[in-house]
Amino acid sequence: DAGVIQSPRHEVTEMGQEVTLRCKPISGHNSLFWYRQTMMRGLELLIYFNNNVPIDDSGMPEDRFSAKMPNASFSTLKIQPSEPRDSAVYFCASSPGRSEGEQYFGPGTRLTVT
Amino acid sequence: AQSVTQPDIHITVSEGASLELRCNYSYGATPYLFWYVQSPGQGLQLLLKYFSGDTLVQGIKGFEAEFKRSQSSFNLRKPSVHWSDAAEYFCAVGAANPAGNNRKLIWGLGTSLAVNP
Repeated sequence: DAGVIQSPRHEVTEMGQEVTLRCKPISGHNSLFWYRQTMMRGLELLIYFNNNVPIDDSGMPEDRFSAKMPNASFSTLKIQPSEPRDSAVYFCASSPGRSEGEQYFGPGTRLTVT
Repeated sequence: AQSVTQPDIHITVSEGASLELRCNYSYGATPYLFWYVQSPGQGLQLLLKYFSGDTLVQGIKGFEAEFKRSQSSFNLRKPSVHWSDAAEYFCAVGAANPAGNNRKLIWGLGTSLAVNP
């Protein structure tokens, strides 16, 4: 299996621009998680989906952030408009349909907003 | 409230020395426990997990962890550290969910491990 795939791996954009991060989970996994990691705040859960349905988005910082999962093999995290404080590494993780809940992470997208 | 504490922010050991990274959790139900490792510039990789049964679990890369319910701990150990083990280590706790719908993990803040040659 290819593992969780994220694109792009690096993104540099200017403040005010729209940013879209993409994730392809491991085939057969039914849960998907979006995280943000910074030196100051560590690893933060933004939102997660079960069977393509958003379950908990309490970690989404504000309305500028939105996430979708139109099907079992694709999810996006969008920031519009982006701000310098959004600079971070964004990870996507997926989890198989078992009760134990271990998660498998993608390589991350490093976002820099100037 | 559910929480995970990793008391050591940073640890330095010599190559070949033994290692123990501490993890304490607070969780009202039966916990599912995990250790992850993150090498620089990489995503998090699952090292090992505890669900039930034998309280000493073996993982990848020669790591093991022991679940101690009385101490609410799940410490990670390795008998002899290699330079390639230098990384960030995260402990996490998850909910037991017989329904099969995954819930979010509660994460510790991580322990950064440096290895001296």
